[in-house]
Amino acid sequence: DTAVSQTPKYLVTQMGNDKSIKCEQNLGHDTMYWYKQDSKKFLKIMFSYNNKELIINETVPNRFSPKSPDKAHLNLHINSLELGDSAVYFCASSQWTTNEKLFFGSGTQLSVL
Amino acid sequence: AQKVTQAQTEISVVEKEDVTLDCVYETRDTTYYLFWYKQPPSGELVFLIRRNSFDEQNEISGRYSWNFQKSTSSFNFTITASQVVDSAVYFCALSDIQGAQKLVFGQGTRLTINP
Repeated sequence: DTAVSQTPKYLVTQMGNDKSIKCEQNLGHDTMYWYKQDSKKFLKIMFSYNNKELIINETVPNRFSPKSPDKAHLNLHINSLELGDSAVYFCASSQWTTNEKLFFGSGTQLSVL
Repeated sequence: AQKVTQAQTEISVVEKEDVTLDCVYETRDTTYYLFWYKQPPSGELVFLIRRNSFDEQNEISGRYSWNFQKSTSSFNFTITASQVVDSAVYFCALSDIQGAQKLVFGQGTRLTINP
């Protein structure tokens, strides 16, 4: 079973559209994240949720809205997509108390045309 | 503010050579964690190691070894007898002690092992 799974793996869409990326983890972790990797491979945190509560919200446009319906899921909705949103988006999870490694999903390659 | 610098953008070596990837970090915290992740061509991020700032012992895992030196704020990664399968982008990262791992990543080093 995949520990952290995100769908879709590839997402190609037009500018101005709204899209969502879903993430689920079956590790029993209580903290989940979204990271963005740009075309130069630079990785940067966007959001983090602990027990469904938003705890990290980096400087991200309001068009990006994360939603965590429960501890095992963290979705990312993006409104009015722009060319600059093209990137790979990684979901990750960890356990708050142990501060162990992050488990990453396989990434979603978003291409905005 | 925390910062991680991987000055080597790309490294190319021939198989079986040893190679060291450099990582220099900046933080005002006295307690922090350092990580290395591997991103092979398939794209996933693979955890390699986590090191607590109080533990300066070097670590060896098979052909991989890590040298942590607080005096120079460095956490370097060495691959001995490199293999083609080691070809990947390697990221060094830093986080504080809080429960949520807000990893600050370096720019990554693209390592190519040629047969």
